[in-house]
Amino acid sequence: EDKVVQSPLSLVVHEGDTVTLNCSYEVTNFRSLLWYKQEKKAPTFLFMLTSSGIEKKSGRLSSILDKKELFSILNITATQTGDSAVYLCAVVPNTGNQFYFGTGTSLTVIP
Amino acid sequence: DGGITQSPKYLFRKEGQNVTLSCEQNLNHDAMYWYRQDPGQGLRLIYYSQIVNDFQKGDIAEGYSVSREKKESFPLTVTSAQKNPTAFYLCASKSPGARELFFGEGSRLTVL
Repeated sequence: EDKVVQSPLSLVVHEGDTVTLNCSYEVTNFRSLLWYKQEKKAPTFLFMLTSSGIEKKSGRLSSILDKKELFSILNITATQTGDSAVYLCAVVPNTGNQFYFGTGTSLTVIP
Repeated sequence: DGGITQSPKYLFRKEGQNVTLSCEQNLNHDAMYWYRQDPGQGLRLIYYSQIVNDFQKGDIAEGYSVSREKKESFPLTVTSAQKNPTAFYLCASKSPGARELFFGEGSRLTVL
């Protein structure tokens, strides 16, 4: 059965800290892994990763995929209160029809 | 502006009543999805549809039904057979070849 696991489930940090969120997966015929940020309601897309070892970066956020060890990490440096959200990881198999989501990591950044 | 509209945003119902949640998109996307979100459980797929008049069950389809009579609309009915319907429901869509799902703002259903 396809499975996506995120850790930690929740995290509380102070502004300025750096955080690392983890996503491991067991998916048949992997195609891509996506990260989303959910602040209140609609998740918004952050990154898509398909190749191992290539870092995707957007401002203070970056992500990398390890296809051999079947995991991805999302790093956030110099955290701000606006980074407080649930971060979701999703994996897409080769069929491209289904997106398998993890449990999410709830990040709270304290001023 | 293009997007996905879910309604209602909040809904209260008594146990035993069927409820229909609306999802409309003007993005001209072919594929549409319904997810359920519970605390600590991430998003779980209820149903998805790749084209009009066709849909497939997801991992937790029991107690739910859908229809796809028009490309832009994918309503979800939560039936009285759903044992624990209180949850946050998210609708999403995707165009062919696109890399990501676009989500609506969600509907929060509370069954009293």
